[in-house]
Amino acid sequence: AQKVTQAQTEISVVEKEDVTLDCVYETRDTTYYLFWYKQPPSGELVFLIRRNSFDEQNEISGRYSWNFQKSTSSFNFTITASQVVDSAVYFCALSSPNFNKFYFGSGTKLNVKP
Amino acid sequence: GAGVSQSPSNKVTEKGKDVELRCDPISGHTALYWYRQSLGQGLEFLIYFQGNSAPDKSGLPSDRFSAERTGGSVSTLTIQRTQQEDSAVYLCASSLRDSEAFFGQGTRLTVV
Repeated sequence: AQKVTQAQTEISVVEKEDVTLDCVYETRDTTYYLFWYKQPPSGELVFLIRRNSFDEQNEISGRYSWNFQKSTSSFNFTITASQVVDSAVYFCALSSPNFNKFYFGSGTKLNVKP
Repeated sequence: GAGVSQSPSNKVTEKGKDVELRCDPISGHTALYWYRQSLGQGLEFLIYFQGNSAPDKSGLPSDRFSAERTGGSVSTLTIQRTQQEDSAVYLCASSLRDSEAFFGQGTRLTVV
């Protein structure tokens, strides 16, 4: 069965702190895809990143970085020097090879205080 | 348009009435998804279209829910005889084949 777990329901940090959002997944597929989405208070989900199961290279994009470890079935997301505008709910998601469904975690609400 | 467009943005309906929610995907996107998000909850999968076909409708909660897609483009999600538990934000997403999904702003449905 496919499953994504985001154990952190809500995190509060002060601006400029670094914060890591955890994501653990379960799948029987050998090929799969992982994603992170941001849902700001406006409500629209914004795509952040896609990672293929056969590519374990970590990725950095500005203040954002992602750590993919197949050995622990984790795909964690770190925001460096957080800003108030980072406040949102962040969802981790998993797709099977045929992309017929995205399995979402329950989300982590990040509050960045000034 | 540039993104996924959903209409209406908000819909208030009386219990027992039928509602139709519309989704205009990004031009050229062959895959289309409907999800439901209840207040403070995660995303619940409803249905997936590839072109006009729906190979996966496993998430539709009951036979009151149906969806169609015409011309490989616009999709309509219909809820018949609405119930209060149907109140939620209904999200539509589209994607190129075998690619990440892009979401619309959602339709907030309130059943009173």
